Amino acid sequence: KQEVTQIPAALSVPEGENLVLNCSFTDSAIYNLQWFRQDPGKGLTSLLLIQSSQREQTSGRLNASLDKSSGRSTLYIAASQPGDSATYLCAVQSNYQLIWGAGTKLIIKP
Amino acid sequence: GAGVSQSPSNKVTEKGKDVELRCDPISGHTALYWYRQSLGQGLEFLIYFQGNSAPDKSGLPSDRFSAERTGGSVSTLTIQRTQQEDSAVYLCASSLRGSSGANVLTFGAGSRLTVL
Repeated sequence: KQEVTQIPAALSVPEGENLVLNCSFTDSAIYNLQWFRQDPGKGLTSLLLIQSSQREQTSGRLNASLDKSSGRSTLYIAASQPGDSATYLCAVQSNYQLIWGAGTKLIIKP
Repeated sequence: GAGVSQSPSNKVTEKGKDVELRCDPISGHTALYWYRQSLGQGLEFLIYFQGNSAPDKSGLPSDRFSAERTGGSVSTLTIQRTQQEDSAVYLCASSLRGSSGANVLTFGAGSRLTVL
């Protein structure tokens, strides 16, 4: 049974720092891994999707990597800004099902 | 539409009443998911629709929960005889195709249900 774990559960850093969020999964038979952000009281916004054949994806200040063999993904945020404050969720997809981590709550202090 | 629309955004109801939540997915998206998110918790899968195929209802927590998708578009999630533990945010998401390596989900803003 696929399990997805996100560490840390919460993170608070000063503005401008680079940071890494971690996601691990137990079964490497996946279609893709996705990163989302969730702002309080709102739905989820897709950030990056890495297909199983890919190693990384980049969008602006965000870079996500995928190492299927070790069951790990990282989300790198460069030059963090207060607007990056949110909960970041990763999910792995097998067939049509997505299995979700519990999220990392990120606070960027001005 | 441009995004996934959910209504109502907020619903307060009394224990024992029935509620109906609506999701209007992005036009052309054949896959539709319902999730539940309780306070401080992760996403709990409820049900999945893909085109005209039989839905995957394996995540529905009890027979008080049901969902349908009419004409492959709008979906309604119905909760009968609501209980306090049903209080949560109900999220709907759609995508072009569910079983795809490039299955990017677009989420609605959610329906927050409070059962008194």
